[in-house]
Amino acid sequence: DAKTTQPTSMDCAEGRAANLPCNHSTISGNEYVYWYRQIHSQGPQYIIHGLKNNETNEMASLIITEDRKSSTLILPHATLRDTAVYYCIVRVPGGNYQLIWGAGTKLIIKP
Amino acid sequence: GAGVSQSPSNKVTEKGKDVELRCDPISGHTALYWYRQSLGQGLEFLIYFQGNSAPDKSGLPSDRFSAERTGGSVSTLTIQRTQQEDSAVYLCASSLVSVLVTGGTDTQYFGPGTRLTVL
Repeated sequence: DAKTTQPTSMDCAEGRAANLPCNHSTISGNEYVYWYRQIHSQGPQYIIHGLKNNETNEMASLIITEDRKSSTLILPHATLRDTAVYYCIVRVPGGNYQLIWGAGTKLIIKP
Repeated sequence: GAGVSQSPSNKVTEKGKDVELRCDPISGHTALYWYRQSLGQGLEFLIYFQGNSAPDKSGLPSDRFSAERTGGSVSTLTIQRTQQEDSAVYLCASSLVSVLVTGGTDTQYFGPGTRLTVL
């Protein structure tokens, strides 16, 4: 079973920030939070990952709560091309390499 | 640099035929993974290769499925006597493995997948 829970779907206006929440209340101390997305008919795309500090890269920012039981992926200026299913996954690097996928959040960016 | 590539992108076959799916990982990546994704579903792990170690085949659904990785690079997933329930997108991923590095990660990077349709 997936160790994360995410909303089934979300809408966001083009140009606005998209904030995607993820609950991982049973996360263990050495598990990282990873985010991937899958655009229709394409392979999953890695976005970002983090342990406890907030992380930012060219694609997104990842905000992890102090207790690490939840996190938020932020796409700062969403475009139509960001429409995809976003997956939040927790795992230990070098540990169980089988990515355990939940249902993800279907993010729809509207013009 | 070049990402993970897979071929063919689409494969239509008749029930009972054998198929071979190919994956070219990112250069220098020592770990390679196969997953499959049925329509509207999440990814299902199939098999994992790491260097010269014996592969982890625990996810293969039946003995009709096999995979090999030659020279530590290219991998081929073979499905014998295909069945209609084998229809899915087959995804390959590769990663570095840096488990000995504190804080190191083995982020998986995926190819575009092969869509297999068994008639």
